Amino acid sequence: GAVVSQHPSWVICKSGTSVKIECRSLDFQATTMFWYRQFPKQSLMLMATSNEGSKATYEQGVEKDKFLINHASLTLSTLTVTSAHPEDSSFYICSARDAETQYFGPGTRLLVL
Amino acid sequence: KQEVTQIPAALSVPEGENLVLNCSFTDSAIYNLQWFRQDPGKGLTSLLLIQSSQREQTSGRLNASLDKSSGRSTLYIAASQPGDSATYLCAVSFQGGKLIFGQGTELSVKP
Repeated sequence: GAVVSQHPSWVICKSGTSVKIECRSLDFQATTMFWYRQFPKQSLMLMATSNEGSKATYEQGVEKDKFLINHASLTLSTLTVTSAHPEDSSFYICSARDAETQYFGPGTRLLVL
Repeated sequence: KQEVTQIPAALSVPEGENLVLNCSFTDSAIYNLQWFRQDPGKGLTSLLLIQSSQREQTSGRLNASLDKSSGRSTLYIAASQPGDSATYLCAVSFQGGKLIFGQGTELSVKP
């Protein structure tokens, strides 16, 4: 099956810094990628839909100025958590859509101290 | 607003038992429904995908059914094994690919 990678797999940063997470579709082109967040013992919550070459669509309650999404090519989307705070600590998972199927990345665990 | 509910939240069974996990959703205008497995601290593994026009899908010891009109799906696991222990997530998708996840069922299969 298709492969989606995420980098880094985990990151620890100080409060106030920005963190960039990359999501790549390795063997297919994805016009649409999705970013999810998962807090401990909770399910995945969709944060935003990222479309190549256009602005991302954010879900209600997700701050677009805090979570910057860029989808500059058909194989790469990035999520930047700006001025991260401890409450942003979470597991961030991306997915890439190939025709009718979504493939999920392995996730990035973010810990903000 | 689309909501996905999974029952039970947690389940513990002895090895060898057959079990059923339940998923319900409020909006029947779904594109498809997927069942995923998630191991602690890990990403998602897709188990079964049922298109809205289908009634069920099978893969090995897993069988998933879909009743779109009533907004329900079940995941049946036959002859459970300790290696089946994980959290099972149900998710519905709409045109455009947006997925809405349930809260998951945490399954523990005791040897």
